[in-house]
Amino acid sequence: EVQLVESGGGVVRPGGSLRLSCAASGFTFDDYGMSWVRQAPGKGLEWVSGINWNGGSTGYADSVKGRFTISRDNAKNSLYLQMNSLRAEDTALYHCARGGDCSGGSCSQVDYWGQGTLVTVSS
Amino acid sequence: DIQMTQSPSSLSASVGDRVTITCRASQGIRNDLGWYQQKPGKAPKRLIYAASSLQSGVPSRFSGSGSGTEFTLTISSLQPEDFATYYCLQHNSYPQTFGQGTKVEIK
Repeated sequence: EVQLVESGGGVVRPGGSLRLSCAASGFTFDDYGMSWVRQAPGKGLEWVSGINWNGGSTGYADSVKGRFTISRDNAKNSLYLQMNSLRAEDTALYHCARGGDCSGGSCSQVDYWGQGTLVTVSS
Repeated sequence: DIQMTQSPSSLSASVGDRVTITCRASQGIRNDLGWYQQKPGKAPKRLIYAASSLQSGVPSRFSGSGSGTEFTLTISSLQPEDFATYYCLQHNSYPQTFGQGTKVEIK
């Protein structure tokens, strides 16, 4: 059974930083690209960032480009999202997802999601 | 970036009704589109991949169609457990983008 468990969320002041983690199990982690998707309270889904199987190709939404960095550690079956220069509009539930990356001219689709970790940016 | 325009944003329907939701892409995306269902407080669940392929375990009353720029999700006979919010997601290129969502409510 595919399991994705996020951690690292919390309350942070505007301009602050936070690092999210996602522990993956139930599948061969380095066979898959991975991504982060967020949902602000009462709003729709927003794809945030994706990374291919070996970390060699990454992509970002315009809203986070230059502030967020996605990475992965295949030895630890883990995905990360380093979030810097946080803004109030980054407040959301952040989901780790299997798929959702692009590499070598093709992209994969998100097929499984974690339950999410809540990030609140507030002074 | 590819924009996905989803309509309607909400609809009211009765059990047994046929329901149709549409997503339009701002440029051609072949069949690189999926449909997701989200219930309150839950993670989304994939229903359809590659525009028209039914995810394993999803009831056959759900179907998807389309290619290029126009896509449709159809629920042939709405059931009580189908009241939820539905999203399309294009995975043709970075950044991947969602439609705005369609909330299906009980009439």
